Amino acid sequence: RKEVEQDPGPFNVPEGATVAFNCTYSNSASQSFFWYRQDCRKEPKLLMSVYSSGNEDGRFTAQLNRASQYISLLIRDSKLSDSATYLCVVNGDSSYKLIFGSGTRLLVRP
Amino acid sequence: GAGVSQSPSNKVTEKGKDVELRCDPISGHTALYWYRQSLGQGLEFLIYFQGNSAPDKSGLPSDRFSAERTGGSVSTLTIQRTQQEDSAVYLCASTTPGQGNSPLHFGNGTRLTVT
Repeated sequence: RKEVEQDPGPFNVPEGATVAFNCTYSNSASQSFFWYRQDCRKEPKLLMSVYSSGNEDGRFTAQLNRASQYISLLIRDSKLSDSATYLCVVNGDSSYKLIFGSGTRLLVRP
Repeated sequence: GAGVSQSPSNKVTEKGKDVELRCDPISGHTALYWYRQSLGQGLEFLIYFQGNSAPDKSGLPSDRFSAERTGGSVSTLTIQRTQQEDSAVYLCASTTPGQGNSPLHFGNGTRLTVT
């Protein structure tokens, strides 16, 4: 089993739609969780950290479910500019080792 | 302020040659990471530095790969006797580890092509 797993997609949604991605992780001791966004042929950029109680940043909501070992990202009112690959990041067998999922591709169409 | 800087941005080399990739982290960031991303793939963890020390080198794909960091700042990733499968984008990231979540700040990457 991979340390961090994501559905590769693509998720193809119309503008204004709500879309959600899940990411599962294998290490129950993981403490650090993030969502990154990567545009085509660009470097990953932090979208948001994921906190135990869940957190929201504008149209984006992140949740952590420790019991089931997954994190989620919800995007409301999708924009064309949200089209990108969304990377789930979790620390591995040590606090410093940040493991990236292979990403979920989102396409928002007019 | 200045972000993470990587050089060169692109490198084309012949199979069998050695290459050296450079990363200048954000000033004050004690932690530095190297990742590799092949076309259409996710990020593969290579190595992590805390200061000048690399506690975990297990991510390096083979003994042809080595990395060092001097003065707690600049890092170089060296690939000896390059092979075609080494072609990828090599990404460097830095952060200040501490309590709670410490996000990574990435450079633009070095796109390595081995012919």
